[in-house]
Amino acid sequence: AQTVTQSQPEMSVQEAETVTLSCTYDTSENNYYLFWYKQPPSRQMILVIRQEAYKQQNATENRFSVNFQKAAKSFSLKISDSQLGDTAMYFCAFKGASYDKVIFGPGTSLSVIP
Amino acid sequence: DADVTQTPRNRITKTGKRIMLECSQTKGHDRMYWYRQDPGLGLRLIYYSFDVKDINKGEISDGYSVSRQAQAKFSLSLESAIPNQTALYFCATSDGGRSTEAFFGQGTRLTVV
Repeated sequence: AQTVTQSQPEMSVQEAETVTLSCTYDTSENNYYLFWYKQPPSRQMILVIRQEAYKQQNATENRFSVNFQKAAKSFSLKISDSQLGDTAMYFCAFKGASYDKVIFGPGTSLSVIP
Repeated sequence: DADVTQTPRNRITKTGKRIMLECSQTKGHDRMYWYRQDPGLGLRLIYYSFDVKDINKGEISDGYSVSRQAQAKFSLSLESAIPNQTALYFCATSDGGRSTEAFFGQGTRLTVV
């Protein structure tokens, strides 16, 4: 069964600095999709970035980028120029190509400090 | 209006009561899901449905049931609520495309006392 692990329950970063959130996953599939979701205090789940496993190039979305290491089954999220609005819970998620269920990690609570 | 709407947003109920959480979507997606969020556990899948005639159990379906009344509506029921079902519940939809993310409602905070 697929599993997603986030080893950092809580993290903090100074405003304008860079922070990296870690995620590892376990799967026997070769084709799959990875996501980072943000959950601010409003509790809305917001997609931050996605990565397709067959693409070697790391995805980027403005200040957000990923480091996808397929062999190591690692999918970290880098937030550059952190802003107060980045304070949220961040969930790493996995979706296999052979089925249509999204599996979530336990989350990392990120606090951006002014 | 939100694409995925959950009602109620918050609910307090007593142990043993039956409660229904409702979800409706305007995205035209075939696939709908119910997740439960608990601190330190992330989101866990309760039930999912790929169309009106297709209902599947997720990893934590015990104590829950669902009904897919129409393509746009998917409700979750707790037949006899218990305190450890206190959690944040999310409905989500997707269109079945391999890379398409799930779209979430705003969640229902359920407290069982």
